[in-house]
Amino acid sequence: QSVLTQAPSVSGAPGQRVTISCTGSSSNIGAAYDVHWYQQLPGTAPKLLIYGNSNRPSGVPDRFSGSKSGTSASLAITGLQAEDEADYYCQSFDSSLSGYVFGTGTKVTVL
Amino acid sequence: QVQLQESGPGLVKPSETLSLTCTVSGGSVSSGSYYWSWIRQPPGRGLEWIGYVYYSGSSDYNPSFKSRVTISVDSSKNQFSLKLNSVTAADTAVYYCATNLGGWELPVWGHGTLVTVSS
Repeated sequence: QSVLTQAPSVSGAPGQRVTISCTGSSSNIGAAYDVHWYQQLPGTAPKLLIYGNSNRPSGVPDRFSGSKSGTSASLAITGLQAEDEADYYCQSFDSSLSGYVFGTGTKVTVL
Repeated sequence: QVQLQESGPGLVKPSETLSLTCTVSGGSVSSGSYYWSWIRQPPGRGLEWIGYVYYSGSSDYNPSFKSRVTISVDSSKNQFSLKLNSVTAADTAVYYCATNLGGWELPVWGHGTLVTVSS
């Protein structure tokens, strides 16, 4: 069961900016646990895109940015490219589960 | 750098036990601060954390699985394993092993292995 809620899909034209939101609760995002984001291309394992709310691992383009406020977090993709078409998941830690929680996932479509 | 590889049967009969192993290379399962996780993804659906094991052998599980899951570590083989009992068709999924390398994010994942539960 997913504890973090995301919109099922978002779309945008090449070059546009899209944002994906992730809503949690007082036992995860609201409890000051960091939010991390993953990109999953079809048929592949998730790839860490953003860690610690807003940090990019080496090699991730700066078109991807993250933020967190209260019990929610957001991932923004600016200058949308065809290769960004994928599923995106947020992830945090939940104190009631004593473990990882994932978002429901958002499919990004490049028009 | 740490790399992970899942292995195990791709087909399991209903009511039997699903057993998977994750082999660690480029690092040690005995490394402190590392949690070794199993995560699954049913076809067309999202990611679900199953549980993790610490290098010491202590583990924690998603309550959804707690009564039928065991995750253990084998330092001599540099592996960690998943056992899920009493499987049903609902357990059909791609199973991933992953690790945190010290933080609470998951920078390292295996490629995943599809397990189908069917008679």
